[in-house]
Amino acid sequence: GAVVSQHPSRVICKSGTSVKIECRSLDFQATTMFWYRQFPKQSLMLMATSNEGSKATYEQGVEKDKFLINHASLTLSTLTVASAHPEDSSFYICSARDRGSGGNTIYFGEGSWLTVV
Amino acid sequence: GEDVEQSLFLSVREGDSSVINCTYTDSSSTYLYWYKQEPGAGLQLLTYIFSNMDMKQDQRLTVLLNKKDKHLSLRIADTQTGDSAIYFCAESSSGYSTLTFGKGTMLLVSP
Repeated sequence: GAVVSQHPSRVICKSGTSVKIECRSLDFQATTMFWYRQFPKQSLMLMATSNEGSKATYEQGVEKDKFLINHASLTLSTLTVASAHPEDSSFYICSARDRGSGGNTIYFGEGSWLTVV
Repeated sequence: GEDVEQSLFLSVREGDSSVINCTYTDSSSTYLYWYKQEPGAGLQLLTYIFSNMDMKQDQRLTVLLNKKDKHLSLRIADTQTGDSAIYFCAESSSGYSTLTFGKGTMLLVSP
């Protein structure tokens, strides 16, 4: 089946530094990728929608200057947490819409645990 | 706005059937999905159903859709301990819109 890979799966960074998380669709082209944040024992919160070759669309309340999204190709989107702080510690999950399925199949990555110390 | 509701917890014994229920409010929902999330992991797409279908079966999984009542269910036959996870129901109004998720149902399967 289709696979979406996220890297790194776990990252610890110092407060004030930036960290980049990659999301790749391994065997399909993704028209759109989504970035979510998940707090413990809660559902997923959509942060932004990333379209290849254009600017990401951010959800209300999500700081675009802090969570930088780049969708450079049909198989890669990156999320950069700029000047991370402890409150940014969370589980970040990406998903990708399979263009070949007519757009109605969405696969998720394994998630990336970010800990800011 | 759209809303998706699920019960938060379900406990079953190994070998029994599990039924996880979901209701949604968006009458324009076209695609309805079930995802499984194991602890510390991402979401695994289990199955999805189009709104013009009533039922979809895939091995141990059966999805039932009552579009009139906006009710979706996932039945897992012969539930195993490895099925213990959080199950998310999600809907989207088209193949190009975002997903709206429920809060997830934690399924606990005891031996």
